Amino acid sequence: GDSVTQMEGPVTLSEEAFLTINCTYTATGYPSLFWYVQYPGEGLQLLLKATKADDKGSNKGFEATYRKETTSFHLEKGSVQVSDSAVYFCALSLDTGNQFYFGTGTSLTVIP
Amino acid sequence: EPEVTQTPSHQVTQMGQEVILRCVPISNHLYFYWYRQILGQKVEFLVSFYNNEISEKSEIFDDQFSVERPDGSNFTLKIRSTKLEDSAMYFCASSGGIFYNEQFFGPGTRLTVL
Repeated sequence: GDSVTQMEGPVTLSEEAFLTINCTYTATGYPSLFWYVQYPGEGLQLLLKATKADDKGSNKGFEATYRKETTSFHLEKGSVQVSDSAVYFCALSLDTGNQFYFGTGTSLTVIP
Repeated sequence: EPEVTQTPSHQVTQMGQEVILRCVPISNHLYFYWYRQILGQKVEFLVSFYNNEISEKSEIFDDQFSVERPDGSNFTLKIRSTKLEDSAMYFCASSGGIFYNEQFFGPGTRLTVL
């Protein structure tokens, strides 16, 4: 079935460190891929997305590239800030109106 | 910027009671969803709703659950007889418009069943 496997957390980094959160997927069709972020006490906010192979999504210094050959959509940021501390969810959707499949979430804490 | 809103933010109820969770999706969206997140676990799909009917539902969405769009703006999730294991954060989402494949999530309702 369709699913997302996400790197286990929690992850703790120092400010300005490089971040990678791994995400791989299994899908029966051609999914769109997403990263959502959940700040403490808040809901899910879309961070970035990619709708087809080789697309790169980017936002707020975060990037992820849709790699069909490795079925991956790893999240990266070159220099994290304390304000990036949150839980990050990788997700896929097969089509408009279809459910999202979420990964388990990766908790990131950035320390000054 | 338009957003999905949910009320209440926190609901405490006794086991066996009925609860209704309310959502106001983004106004020009056509697809509506409910998800839940048990503490420390992944976000799980419950149900999607389109054109005034359920379009997809998960195994979690059993006969205890129902959804309704009672008017042009609200979208509700009803749990008829709550169980302890229904305690979770419930998220409403909607999609449509120009960002057709992106789901916009509300802030969630934390349901605590005692």
